[in-house]
Amino acid sequence: QSALTQPASVSGSPGQSITISCTGTSSDVGGYNYVSWYQQHPGKAPKLMIYDVSNRPSGISNRFSGSKSGNTASLTISGLQAEDEADYYCSSYTSSGLDVFGTGTKVTVL
Amino acid sequence: EVQLVETGGGLIQPGGSLRLSCAASGFSVSSKYMSWVRQAPGKGLEWVSVIYSDGSTYYADSVKGRSTISRDNSKNTLYLQMNSLRAEDTAVYYCARDSSGWSWGYWGQGTLVTVSS
Repeated sequence: QSALTQPASVSGSPGQSITISCTGTSSDVGGYNYVSWYQQHPGKAPKLMIYDVSNRPSGISNRFSGSKSGNTASLTISGLQAEDEADYYCSSYTSSGLDVFGTGTKVTVL
Repeated sequence: EVQLVETGGGLIQPGGSLRLSCAASGFSVSSKYMSWVRQAPGKGLEWVSVIYSDGSTYYADSVKGRSTISRDNSKNTLYLQMNSLRAEDTAVYYCARDSSGWSWGYWGQGTLVTVSS
């Protein structure tokens, strides 16, 4: 149950695009199309942003998009806005029966 | 409307036990996948345990043997019984419910567990 690997921090200016990577193994990210992404603001509960690699729940801006290649999934935020400043976590189904989170990425809007 | 409300957190001495509750409304806990996730102060998220609709349960290695996830269908409530608590169990504990595809789209507000003497 090792955590998926994410960059500790990513930053961008308003209007720019940023991409957060999430690297796992063939037992999690690479083995299933069950990667989801969560946004967490300080002191708040996580919020689902992307599910099943690239699907957006109702109400989530189309500025958020997801993809996957091999054992690495990615979250792209386009048209970066101040409100996007938060921590982001990927999560994947695993063969063990319990999902696994990524290490988390702090997004800073410059 | 789906709502999840966690209770049961607090200050507990090392070696003690605690039962966290997650009262659900707007759906039946027996028909959904339910999980517990924790977040230590200043740290990332960690899946603790999950109970699937078929009743199967899974635990993180960090709590296996010390924790039990269960549900009371009559009270529509999810539980996490935690024993032999350690300082490293100090965290905010969230309950979560599955949503579209394979994802966890519903979360409670969390309850803080502090293990300290």
